[in-house]
Amino acid sequence: NAGVTQTPKFQVLKTGQSMTLQCAQDMNHEYMSWYRQDPGMGLRLIHYSVGAGITDQGEVPNGYNVSRSTTEDFPLRLLSAAPSQTSVYFCASSPSGKAGKTQYFGPGTRLLVL
Amino acid sequence: AQSVSQHNHHVILSEAASLELGCNYSYGGTVNLFWYVQYPGQHLQLLLKYFSGDPLVKGIKGFEAEFIKSKFSFNLRKPSVQWSDTAEYFCAVIPASGGSYIPTFGRGTSLIVHP
Repeated sequence: NAGVTQTPKFQVLKTGQSMTLQCAQDMNHEYMSWYRQDPGMGLRLIHYSVGAGITDQGEVPNGYNVSRSTTEDFPLRLLSAAPSQTSVYFCASSPSGKAGKTQYFGPGTRLLVL
Repeated sequence: AQSVSQHNHHVILSEAASLELGCNYSYGGTVNLFWYVQYPGQHLQLLLKYFSGDPLVKGIKGFEAEFIKSKFSFNLRKPSVQWSDTAEYFCAVIPASGGSYIPTFGRGTSLIVHP
């Protein structure tokens, strides 16, 4: 299994541009989530999904959209990039049931917005 | 809603020193607790977790953590650190009931171990 994969690894955007960060998992996990990691702020939840077709907002959802059309994929869209969105973005997945409490993280996408 | 506090933001140790990283949570009910580690340039991975039973849990690479319910704490310990333990450490909590599977993370502790 590849686990959780994320593309791209690095991205530079100009203010106002839009882009999609891709996340895929091949473990048939029900739960998927997006976090951003900033120095001194830890991991903050952006959006999450409890299954295909179901998404919800996390702690810092503004400026981001998500959709979950399949179990495997959970893309994160930046609608109009701002310098405040410069960060490292991590996607995570977890199965249902008691074992589902453990998160499996992707390698991250480092985003710079100029 | 639950919250997690990690008091030590930066810790610098020499090899062979003992380590204890503090983690306190705020939640009125039963919780599941986790420690994740992020080595330089890598993604987060699970170090250890507590669901129920023995409050002293052992994880990978010689780490252990003790759940003290009365103190709402889940401190991470290692008797003798190595240079390879240099990493960022995150404590996380999930309510045990209510069907929640999304953790709340602390702000992390950066550990540097000097050889």
